[in-house]
Amino acid sequence: DAGVTQSPTHLIKTRGQHVTLRCSPISGHKSVSWYQQVLGQGPQFIFQYYEKEERGRGNFPDRFSARQFPNYSSELNVNALLLGDSALYLCASSFDMTGELFFGEGSRLTVL
Amino acid sequence: RKEVEQDPGPFNVPEGATVAFNCTYSNSASQSFFWYRQDCRKEPKLLMSVYSSGNEDGRFTAQLNRASQYISLLIRDSKLSDSATYLCVVTNTNTGNQFYFGTGTSLTVIP
Repeated sequence: DAGVTQSPTHLIKTRGQHVTLRCSPISGHKSVSWYQQVLGQGPQFIFQYYEKEERGRGNFPDRFSARQFPNYSSELNVNALLLGDSALYLCASSFDMTGELFFGEGSRLTVL
Repeated sequence: RKEVEQDPGPFNVPEGATVAFNCTYSNSASQSFFWYRQDCRKEPKLLMSVYSSGNEDGRFTAQLNRASQYISLLIRDSKLSDSATYLCVVTNTNTGNQFYFGTGTSLTVIP
């Protein structure tokens, strides 16, 4: 069975650009969460979506947005990229809102 | 104040040693507790949930003290393959089921 898949795995952008990261959850999982992990830190919560609705938002600026599609896949969008947005972006799926999180391998974003 | 505080280490221990990691959390309304393991440049994976009564899984024992808002992980008979970063995680469904991660504690088991 496929786990959580994320794309792209690595990408390089310049300041001011926009990025879209994609995530496909484990089959049957209805909740997708996004986390940002900078080097040396634990993952920081960005968003949770369940049944295509936003159910939680972390302390991130409005430049960060996300959505969940009818097939439960999700996109994370970041506008006006800053150097400090360089990080590993992790997507996690769970069966429901409170279940165990299963993480994808992440998308490593470098902003130059 | 951070939701979850962990000693980042690093902990360098010989094979066969017993090592303990501690974690404190700030929100007394926190409801679920976990330890995740993260290998270098890999994604976090669930190691074990933590229950009030304490729970054991092989060489790993997790404890929760709600009164002190304190979580621990004990690893006995350390193996080289235990080398990783261990992340303490706390959730609170009152805030949209955010999983709050600590910074992680780095463990290296030395031959």
